[in-house]
Amino acid sequence: QSALTQPASVSGSPGQSITISCTGTSSDVGTYDLVSWYQQHPGKAPKLIIYEVTQRPSGVSNRFSGSKSGNTASLTISGLQAEDEADYYCCSYAGSSIFVFGGGTKATVL
Amino acid sequence: EVQLVQSGAEVKKPGESLKISCMGSGYSLTSYWIAWVRQMPGKGLEWMGIIYPGDSDTRYSPSFQGQVTISADRSISTAYLQWSSLKASDTAMYYCARRRGSSLNWFDAWGQGTLVTVSS
Repeated sequence: QSALTQPASVSGSPGQSITISCTGTSSDVGTYDLVSWYQQHPGKAPKLIIYEVTQRPSGVSNRFSGSKSGNTASLTISGLQAEDEADYYCCSYAGSSIFVFGGGTKATVL
Repeated sequence: EVQLVQSGAEVKKPGESLKISCMGSGYSLTSYWIAWVRQMPGKGLEWMGIIYPGDSDTRYSPSFQGQVTISADRSISTAYLQWSSLKASDTAMYYCARRRGSSLNWFDAWGQGTLVTVSS
C-alpha cells in the first residue's frame, strides 16, 4: 500500500488554528474509521494524540481534534501554542492487521 | 505503567546480521500486537510489520516483506526485528509500538527507539 498523503508543512501564529490533511484511498482511510494521529518532537518517540478519527486519549489537550470525510482525514490544532511545534503523522488501518502512515507534516508556530 | 524498552544503538557493517529487541513491561506482551516502525534520517514514519506474541501471527508491509524478520519470545515478553544482511539503506531509527487491541487499531505506547547505523 502507498503512504497516506500529508502536506509537508503548515504554519500559524500563536492562538490561531491550523489543519493538517491526510488523504488515503478507499482501501484504508475511506473504508475504516480507524485513523490515528501522532505528534513527534525532535529526538523523541511519537505520541498518540487522536485515535478512531475523533477520540482523544486521556491527558491530550482538547485543542487537538480530528475529523474525516471520504478518503481524507484531518487534524485541527486550535489555540496554537509554541509547544505544538512538532511533526504530525496520520496512520490508517488498512485491514488484516496492516497499517499505513502518512508522510508527515511539520507544524511551525510563527 | 506500560513501557516498551528497546535495545541500544548498533553500528554494523554492510552484510552483517542484526537482531534488535523490544521488551514490554507493566502489561502482558502476549496479549497485544507489537509493530515495528522505521524512521530514516530526516524522514517520516514507515510501518514495517506487526506480530501478535500470543501465537506469533505476523504481518508485513509489502515494502518490507522479505527484507526483515519479526519474531517474539513470549517467555521473556520480548519482540524482535532482525536482518540477515544489512545494507547502508537500513540506517535508521527503529521504533516498536503497541497496538491497543485486536480491534483497537492505534498505537498507544512506543519504545524509545533503537538507532541502527550501517556503514563500512
